[in-house]
Formats: sequence, C-alpha cells, structure tokens
Amino acid sequence: DVQLVESGGGLVQPGGSLRLSCAASEFTFSSYWMTWFRQAPGKGLEWVANIKGDGSKKNLVDSVKGRFTISRDNAKNSLYLQMDSLRVEDTAVYFCARDANYYDSRDYYYDAFDMWGQGTMVTVSS
Amino acid sequence: AIQMTQSPSSLSASVGDRVTITCRASQGIRTDLGWYQQKPGKAPKFLIYGASSLHSGVPSRFSGSGSGTDFTLTISSLQPEDFATYYCLQDYSYPRTFGQGTKVEI
Repeated sequence: DVQLVESGGGLVQPGGSLRLSCAASEFTFSSYWMTWFRQAPGKGLEWVANIKGDGSKKNLVDSVKGRFTISRDNAKNSLYLQMDSLRVEDTAVYFCARDANYYDSRDYYYDAFDMWGQGTMVTVSS
Repeated sequence: AIQMTQSPSSLSASVGDRVTITCRASQGIRTDLGWYQQKPGKAPKFLIYGASSLHSGVPSRFSGSGSGTDFTLTISSLQPEDFATYYCLQDYSYPRTFGQGTKVEI
C-alpha cells in the first residue's frame, strides 16, 4: 500500500531544534511535490511548507521562514523538516502529505493532498 | 495570504439529513479549492478537488460547488461515518490556506 510514515517528533525546549522525517513507500517519490502540514492541539490545519519532486523549488509559510527548512532525499524516498529556533506556538501534530495533480474535464489541474501520514507530535515547552 | 472563512463552525445533524457547509475566500480563487474530512486523532482524508470533482472512492452523497469566492460542500444524506470535521483548502496561491473547519456532530 502507498504510505507515508512520519517520525522525529518529541518534546523540545523553546529555542531548540528537531528534525522530522517522512518515509514514503509504494509510489515514485521523486515525481511528486511533498508537503508538511501541522495542527495545534484542538485547532485547525495549517499548511507549513512544500518541495518540488527534484528539490528545486520550495515554499514556506511566513511564520516559519528563516527557522524551518524543508528538504528531501529521493534516493531514500524521504522528506524532512528541519525545525530550528522552535517556539511554543510551533507545538502541533505535523503531517506529511503527497501533493498530486488532479485534472478536470477542461484539462485544468489542481493540487490535491491524496496521501497523508499519521502525524508526529512536536511539543515545545520549558 | 488568502483567508478562507468557513461556516458554520459546527452543526448538529441526524442520520439522513442534508448538510451544507460554506467556504468563502477573501479574493477570487477560480475553482482552486479542495475539501477534506478529518476524524479525531486521524489524518485528513481528501474528498473533492477543483471545487466540484469527487476524488475516486468518495461516496456520491458528497458534492461540491462554487467558483470565485463562494463554495459549498453538501452531504445529501448524512451517514454515521460522516460525523467529522470538514475543511476547505485553497490551492490557488501560496501559502495554501484552510478554512477553520466545520464540525459535524449529532
């Protein structure tokens, strides 16, 4: 089965660092943009960052720019999120997701997140 | 960033009810909108893309409509497994942004 499995979450003090990983299997990983989302406890979903299949393009939400780095290793079918200078407000479950193109009848394509990992919890607290 | 406003934030319904959730974008996003379902403790599940196209395997009781700034998700006859939180997500521009979610409960 196509699957994504996150790891690397945990408890860290404010100002600390963590590196999240997302292991992909059963699809051609290098062909897909990949995305990180997060969800603070009891809150809604937030898009965090994405990266193109070959790693040549990246986008990040403003609140993490300069602190988080998204990367990938296609040889290992893995996605990463390096999180530095962590803040209390970064506390959340972090999900990785596959970003696929879906086409409508006009041949117009849309980004859709059709495969998600189970999430990994990051807690930033002193 | 484009702001997505969902309403209502929660609703109570019964099995068999018709349920409609709305999502409004702060600027026009054509039909670059998806809908996702999330159950407690689980990852979101992809339902609809392009505002109205149903993802493979999603029951036909789900439908989406709209373009520009106003969108709706309709569940024609609510089933027990549909009690969940629903989110709209715009993929028109970066950063991608979600609505705040609509919790559908009994």
